[in-house]
Amino acid sequence: RKEVEQDPGPFNVPEGATVAFNCTYSNSASQSFFWYRQDCRKEPKLLMSVYSSGNEDGRFTAQLNRASQYISLLIRDSKLSDSATYLCVVSRYGQNFVFGPGTRLSVLP
Amino acid sequence: NAGVTQTPKFRVLKTGQSMTLLCAQDMNHEYMYWYRQDPGMGLRLIHYSVGEGTTAKGEVPDGYNVSRLKKQNFLLGLESAAPSQTSVYFCASSYSITGTVKYEQYFGPGTRLTVT
Repeated sequence: RKEVEQDPGPFNVPEGATVAFNCTYSNSASQSFFWYRQDCRKEPKLLMSVYSSGNEDGRFTAQLNRASQYISLLIRDSKLSDSATYLCVVSRYGQNFVFGPGTRLSVLP
Repeated sequence: NAGVTQTPKFRVLKTGQSMTLLCAQDMNHEYMYWYRQDPGMGLRLIHYSVGEGTTAKGEVPDGYNVSRLKKQNFLLGLESAAPSQTSVYFCASSYSITGTVKYEQYFGPGTRLTVT
């Protein structure tokens, strides 16, 4: 079993829709959790850090469930510019970041 | 403030050739990392460093060597390139907030390497 798993998608949604991605991780010692966004052939960019049960940043909400070992990302009012691959990342001690394979999102006009 | 930079951006090598990829960061970050990304796969950690003069192996270290002689630089070497090393290589750096488990990584733009 991979340490971090995500549904690869693609998720094709219309503009204005709400979409949610889930990510599961297998190592219960994981301490830090992140969502990154990666545009085609570009470097990953930090979208949100998730340090407690969850946090919100504008249209984006991330939640962490340590008991079930999953992280979710909710995007409300999707924009065309949200089209990208979303990477779930977990870390132990900041020295070993493990990336999921990514979930591809296409927001359609 | 350039953040994380990588040199070169593109390179084509023949099997058996060697090369060094350079990563530089100007954010005074302690930690630095080298990843490779292949189609359909997530980023995989090759080597990382928790400080100047220290390095450690990641998930896929075979065929690569690294050095961190200066805090701001992290070099990735391929001694004898193989077609299986064709990939996109990303460097990253991160910092920690004292007393917390808050670490956030920042990535360079990547190096696209093709080995023929």
